[in-house]
Amino acid sequence: SQKIEQNSEALNIQEGKTATLTCNYTNYSPAYLQWYRQDPGRGPVFLLLIRENEKEKRKERLKVTFDTTLKQSLFHITASQPADSATYLCALVVAYSGAGSYQLTFGKGTKLSVIP
Amino acid sequence: EAGVTQFPSHSVIEKGQTVTLRCDPISGHDNLYWYRRVMGKEIKFLLHFVKESKQDESGMPNNRFLAERTGGTYSTLKVQPAELEDSGVYFCASSQDRDSGANVLTFGAGSRLTVL
Repeated sequence: SQKIEQNSEALNIQEGKTATLTCNYTNYSPAYLQWYRQDPGRGPVFLLLIRENEKEKRKERLKVTFDTTLKQSLFHITASQPADSATYLCALVVAYSGAGSYQLTFGKGTKLSVIP
Repeated sequence: EAGVTQFPSHSVIEKGQTVTLRCDPISGHDNLYWYRRVMGKEIKFLLHFVKESKQDESGMPNNRFLAERTGGTYSTLKVQPAELEDSGVYFCASSQDRDSGANVLTFGAGSRLTVL
């Protein structure tokens, strides 16, 4: 069956360290993978998109890798700050061939807490 | 620009009643999506409009759910009659570009539905 797993429900790290979040998937062949940030009471906010033929993508302190052989994406936040505390969601972009449409298929998310 | 607006932010109803959720997408965005997060589960796709047409409604759970987007502007999602398992947070999202795997979605804050 198809499954997306984010390695842990919660992750605590010290301020200034690098946070690494993992997204593993099975029985999907996504052409794209996206990462979102969600704060309590808010909707997901887009952070980064990576294509299947890209190994790595960076944006400021954020870095995403995508290994289609391992079926895994890693999301890194360097020099983490308390303001980075939030839930981070991995989302596969899955084509729904019946409609020529694309759906986001989300993982459950990892709640990151950056401790001052 | 104004973001995606959802109303109400929270609705509490009794089993068997009807609730209508509304979403105002970003002006000019042809693509409008509904997603739902049930307690303890991941965010799941419900359906996708392109302008006023339903492009993909493969995620709609059953015929108690009716989504409309008259005139291709705002959308409503009606649940009638509501059941306990319909409780959750309903997110609306919109995007401007022709739907592709690289689409970036802007989400609203969600409408929390509690069915008692």
